[in-house]
Amino acid sequence: NAGVTQTPKFRVLKTGQSMTLLCAQDMNHEYMYWYRQDPGMGLRLIHYSVGEGTTAKGEVPDGYNVSRLKKQNFLLGLESAAPSQTSVYFCASRPSGTSGGAGNEQFFGPGTRLTVL
Amino acid sequence: SQQGEEDPQALSIQEGENATMNCSYKTSINNLQWYRQNSGRGLVHLILIRSNEREKHSGRLRVTLDTSKKSSSLLITASRAADTASYFCATGRGSTLGRLYFGRGTQLTVWP
Repeated sequence: NAGVTQTPKFRVLKTGQSMTLLCAQDMNHEYMYWYRQDPGMGLRLIHYSVGEGTTAKGEVPDGYNVSRLKKQNFLLGLESAAPSQTSVYFCASRPSGTSGGAGNEQFFGPGTRLTVL
Repeated sequence: SQQGEEDPQALSIQEGENATMNCSYKTSINNLQWYRQNSGRGLVHLILIRSNEREKHSGRLRVTLDTSKKSSSLLITASRAADTASYFCATGRGSTLGRLYFGRGTQLTVWP
């Protein structure tokens, strides 16, 4: 199993350009998440999905859109990139259900390093 | 904010020594998790402790949880150079559909 994969690994954009980051998982997980990681800030949740066709806002959703058309894929879109969106983006997934014990851990992809000039 | 806060921000030790990292949080939780991140890589889950547990072990890892003080600690015994990484605590609540709230992390450096 490949686990969680992210495409692309690196990208440089100019202000105002758009792009889509792709996350794919082959573990049949229901829940998927997009985070951004900035120096000294830890991970902050952008958007998440609890199943195919569903999405919800996280902590820092402004400037991003997401779609979950297929269970295994979770797309993160930047419609008009800004320098403030320079960051490392991580996708994660986990199974649904469970009430706090084993099964609550998230599985992370390797990240996408995005620079907006 | 439900985010955890790790302490210290950075820790530097010699191989063979123990490393202790602390995490404090502000709201009630369902579980607390610790993750490791090697430089330039994604996060890897290390251990989960439920809110009704006080201590948990996994290999060289020992995690404690004190819900009355809203704090947790991660102890890595007999550290190795390969343990060099950033360590994050993350808190979860059962009602928030699996969302985790991450702290800013502790950067651990283990010198050979």
